[in-house]
Amino acid sequence: EVQLVQSGAEVKKPGESLKISCKASGYSFTNYWIGWVRQMPGKGLEWMGIVYPGDSDTRYSPSLQGQVTISADKSISTAYLQWSSLKASDTAMYYCARSLTTTIQGPDYWGQGTLVTVSS
Amino acid sequence: DIQMTQSPSSLSASVGDRVTITCRASQSISSYLNWYQQKPGKAPNLLIFAASSLQSGVPSRFSGSGSGTDFTLIISNLQPEDFATYYCQQSYSLPLTFGGGTKVDIK
Repeated sequence: EVQLVQSGAEVKKPGESLKISCKASGYSFTNYWIGWVRQMPGKGLEWMGIVYPGDSDTRYSPSLQGQVTISADKSISTAYLQWSSLKASDTAMYYCARSLTTTIQGPDYWGQGTLVTVSS
Repeated sequence: DIQMTQSPSSLSASVGDRVTITCRASQSISSYLNWYQQKPGKAPNLLIFAASSLQSGVPSRFSGSGSGTDFTLIISNLQPEDFATYYCQQSYSLPLTFGGGTKVDIK
C-alpha cells in the first residue's frame, strides 16, 4: 500500500528556518517524482515544485523559486520542503504528493498535510 | 504558465442531482487534465486522470470528458458524501496549475 506520512504541525516565528518531511512507503521511491502543494487558509491548491529522488532533479514553480528548497533522501525514502527564513505569508497547509506515473504528472497519492503557522 | 479557469466557483445541489463542473485551459493541454475532490480538513483525492480515466476505487457516477482547452466533470446521482470542493489540474507543462475550485454544497 502506498503511503506518504508527513511530519507534524509547526508553529514558528518570522525569520526562523524550517524543514518538513514526507516519508514514503509501499512503492519504489526512486522511480516516482514527488512534489509539494500549498494551500493557504481558505484558499485553493498551489503547486510548489517537485523532485525526482532517483537523481535529485528538482523543478520549482517560478513564483516560488528561491523561496523554498525541495529535496529528497533516497536512503530513507523521504522528501523535504524547507525554508531558510519564514514569513507570515508562509502560513499554510503543505501537502506532499506522488506523481501518478514515473514522469511528471498530477499526483495520485497525497500525504495527510503539515500545517505551518508563522506568527510573531 | 497555463491558467485553469473553473466554473462555477460554487453551486448548490440536492442528493440525486446531476452536477456539471467545467474547466478551461488558457492554451491547449491535450488530455493532460486531472480532477480532484477535497473535503474539509482532508488531502485532495484523485478522481479522474487524463481527462476521462476513472481512478481506481472512484465511483462510476463520476465521469470526465474533454480535450484541448475545454473539460467537464460530471457527477451523476449526487450522493451525500460528494459535497466537497473540486479542482481541475493540468499536467501538460510546468508549472502544474490548478483551477480555483468549485464548492458543491447542499441545497
